[in-house]
Amino acid sequence: EAEVAQSPRYKITEKSQAVAFWCDPISGHATLYWYRQILGQGPELLVQFQDESVVDDSQLPKDRFSAERLKGVDSTLKIQPAELGDSAMYLCASSFERTGLQETQYFGPGTRLLVL
Amino acid sequence: DQQVKQNSPSLSVQEGRISILNCDYTNSMFDYFLWYKKYPAEGPTFLISISSIKDKNEDGRFTVFLNKSAKHLSLHIVPSQPGDSAVYFCAATRVQGAQKLVFGQGTRLTINP
Repeated sequence: EAEVAQSPRYKITEKSQAVAFWCDPISGHATLYWYRQILGQGPELLVQFQDESVVDDSQLPKDRFSAERLKGVDSTLKIQPAELGDSAMYLCASSFERTGLQETQYFGPGTRLLVL
Repeated sequence: DQQVKQNSPSLSVQEGRISILNCDYTNSMFDYFLWYKKYPAEGPTFLISISSIKDKNEDGRFTVFLNKSAKHLSLHIVPSQPGDSAVYFCAATRVQGAQKLVFGQGTRLTINP
């Protein structure tokens, strides 16, 4: 069964350092989402791509976060510099989204980030 | 502004009984609702969904009910099994196009033997 891949699974870093997370969506899925889940809360969207284009990055803290999906396949989310409040689970999801209707979003295992 | 709320952080149910998880939403533009299940150290897994043209959707042991006038939905699991112990997230979105999911805070369900 096809799955969304993410790496690393865990990352510990010191504040002010740079970190990067990678996501490989299910093959053929046009839409890719990055969500952040803080402990005790539900996931919140950071950025959404349709192929290589950003569709929604309204909740992305652009002073320190950046995301790209250069060839419309895999994606990288970067934080520079990391702050203590960035400690969270970073989840990547993908969906087919070529029908014009909402399609099921499939999530990867996530990257657990701890900023010290 | 919490648009999707799950007011019960945790729920404990005896094995074999019915589990009922509740979710409320405030945004009347939402017309598509989903439930995801999450085990520790894993990503959320899609469970069941319902669009606003229906008031009930059933899949095996899982049934989702939607009350549009009350802006309330619930997930029923019957009979509950130990493997159902997980965190359950309610999510809402628009059915038209690729829209982000707005999640509730989650409810931790524990099934006791």
